[in-house]
Amino acid sequence: EDQVTQSPEALRLQEGESSSLNCSYTVSGLRGLFWYRQDPGKGPEFLFTLYSAGEEKEKERLKATLTKKESFLHITAPKPEDSATYLCAVQLLEDSTLTFGKGTMLLVSP
Amino acid sequence: GAVVSQHPSWVICKSGTSVKIECRSLDFQATTMFWYRQFPKQSLMLMATSNEGSKATYEQGVEKDKFLINHASLTLSTLTVTSAHPEDSSFYICSGTSGEQETQYFGPGTRLLVL
Repeated sequence: EDQVTQSPEALRLQEGESSSLNCSYTVSGLRGLFWYRQDPGKGPEFLFTLYSAGEEKEKERLKATLTKKESFLHITAPKPEDSATYLCAVQLLEDSTLTFGKGTMLLVSP
Repeated sequence: GAVVSQHPSWVICKSGTSVKIECRSLDFQATTMFWYRQFPKQSLMLMATSNEGSKATYEQGVEKDKFLINHASLTLSTLTVTSAHPEDSSFYICSGTSGEQETQYFGPGTRLLVL
């Protein structure tokens, strides 16, 4: 069975304290891995898509990386406005649907 | 990124009534739209996939006669919750893509409370 596991479930950081969120997956035939940010009461906001092991993408303080088993979302010098739930999702080669992990709730304190 | 809207943003209804939620792609043609449900502190669970002009494909365990999906145009999909019950109370989110393998862009969600 295809699975997506995110860790930690929750993370509290001080402003400026860099860290990483993990998304591990066990799927047969990965087409792409997606990262989204979700604020409370809102829909997910697209951040990145990664397609192959070794690929990296960056956006402001965020950098996403991908291996054959997992993806990391690195947050460098976070700010309070980075507080949100970060979701990863996988898309298979033969399917257009996304399977989401449960997310990591990030809180950045000033 | 592409913009998707939903209406209404929240709705309260009585048990037994039906509720319609609209999902619109504002600046792209959504050939495929998806409907998700999200319970508190849970992740998104896919309910169904719809392609414009075709019948929706429902995920296992989702009642197609209860959750009616219509994708009549490339910019509009609707989800109707028929004979709603309190257990249908949830956060319903749609997404759209311009192609089956493309990035999904999500709407802001609709909070449904059934009394």
